[in-house]
Amino acid sequence: NAGVMQNPRHLVRRRGQEARLRCSPMKGHSHVYWYRQLPEEGLKFMVYLQKENIIDESGMPKERFSAEFPKEGPSILRIQQVVRGDSAAYFCASSVEAGKETQYFGPGTRLLVL
Amino acid sequence: GNSVTQMEGPVTLSEEAFLTINCTYTATGYPSLFWYVQYPGEGLQLLLKATKADDKGSNKGFEATYRKETTSFHLEKGSVQVSDSAVYFCALSDSWGKLQFGAGTQVVVTP
Repeated sequence: NAGVMQNPRHLVRRRGQEARLRCSPMKGHSHVYWYRQLPEEGLKFMVYLQKENIIDESGMPKERFSAEFPKEGPSILRIQQVVRGDSAAYFCASSVEAGKETQYFGPGTRLLVL
Repeated sequence: GNSVTQMEGPVTLSEEAFLTINCTYTATGYPSLFWYVQYPGEGLQLLLKATKADDKGSNKGFEATYRKETTSFHLEKGSVQVSDSAVYFCALSDSWGKLQFGAGTQVVVTP
């Protein structure tokens, strides 16, 4: 059973470009969480999605950031008009159910904005 | 709101020493508690978890007990190895599963 997959593993963008981060959850998992790890900071929750629904986006910046988890295909975290402060590691996690179930993390996408 | 506080690092130990990383939490209700480990350049791996008071999670020689009376979930290992060098995160989950992490504690084990 393949684990959570994220791609790309490393992404370099210039200021003003768009970044698209993909996450394929573990087989049978329909709950996806995105977290961001900024340099010198801990991991912070961004958004929680189920198939075709955003359940909680309380940790996501109101502008430039969006997320989706379509019926078919991976979950996408999209950052428009990136700025240097967006440089971070973005981790996706999935679980079979919400609540107390264990979340399994992907290897992360390391975004560098030049 | 929920929060997790864990001891600051780095913690530097010699091989075979005893390791303790303190973790305390503030939460409404009865959250699940987790310890995750992150090796350089990698994602987080679940180390152990506990879902209710007095539960003890254990894995690979690591242990932690869910103490509701002291709102703590301290991580311990009796004899560390160089391969245990990593960053350790304490976390709790709310009813939706959203994880709230501590700041992380870097552990360095020297031969």
